[in-house]
Amino acid sequence: DQQVKQNSPSLSVQEGRISILNCDYTNSMFDYFLWYKKYPAEGPTFLISISSIKDKNEDGRFTVFLNKSAKHLSLHIVPSQPGDSAVYFCAASDGYGQNFVFGPGTRLSVLP
Amino acid sequence: DTAVSQTPKYLVTQMGNDKSIKCEQNLGHDTMYWYKQDSKKFLKIMFSYNNKELIINETVPNRFSPKSPDKAHLNLHINSLELGDSAVYFCASSQYTGTSGGASTDTQYFGPGTRLTVL
Repeated sequence: DQQVKQNSPSLSVQEGRISILNCDYTNSMFDYFLWYKKYPAEGPTFLISISSIKDKNEDGRFTVFLNKSAKHLSLHIVPSQPGDSAVYFCAASDGYGQNFVFGPGTRLSVLP
Repeated sequence: DTAVSQTPKYLVTQMGNDKSIKCEQNLGHDTMYWYKQDSKKFLKIMFSYNNKELIINETVPNRFSPKSPDKAHLNLHINSLELGDSAVYFCASSQYTGTSGGASTDTQYFGPGTRLTVL
């Protein structure tokens, strides 16, 4: 059973608009969440994280929102740029990075 | 049922030892990977492997070697362990789509990670 789900395998967004990538988890023990970005033939790159004591974390164009009651988090990218086109992985852990569980990824395409 | 599993979950060992980490996937995928997570949480690809091709990241020391007894397994052997090898190692799998560069860019399913500590 997948503990971390990214139900949209792909997403297309126009340049300049907002990209919203969603992630759902089932394990209530998860207390730390991360987003990774992956370009072809490269390893995933850490983007942004959030701990369960917060409901929002912002870093430049990237904002992660956490809704603990719904076991849902989302990554917002505003404004979207063509260079953001990549696969985005959501990951969750318990104990601040001790045990990671990754979602399957969402491919974002930002169209010029 | 776990899709991608790794054993052991934790591995503590002395410098100079040789150790292996096992990875198994039951998804029927034909491409498997090993990643190393560094202190900044970057996941650096070490190897990608399918039944046709092994692609090695040239920055990986040759003390690291992948071994694939069959399509569902890709084990990581590490010889002469060094302190700098301490990290979390992730296995992943995907269905190879023949993209350029040899590595699938599509959905990857990750194992839970193995935390290696070299003393």
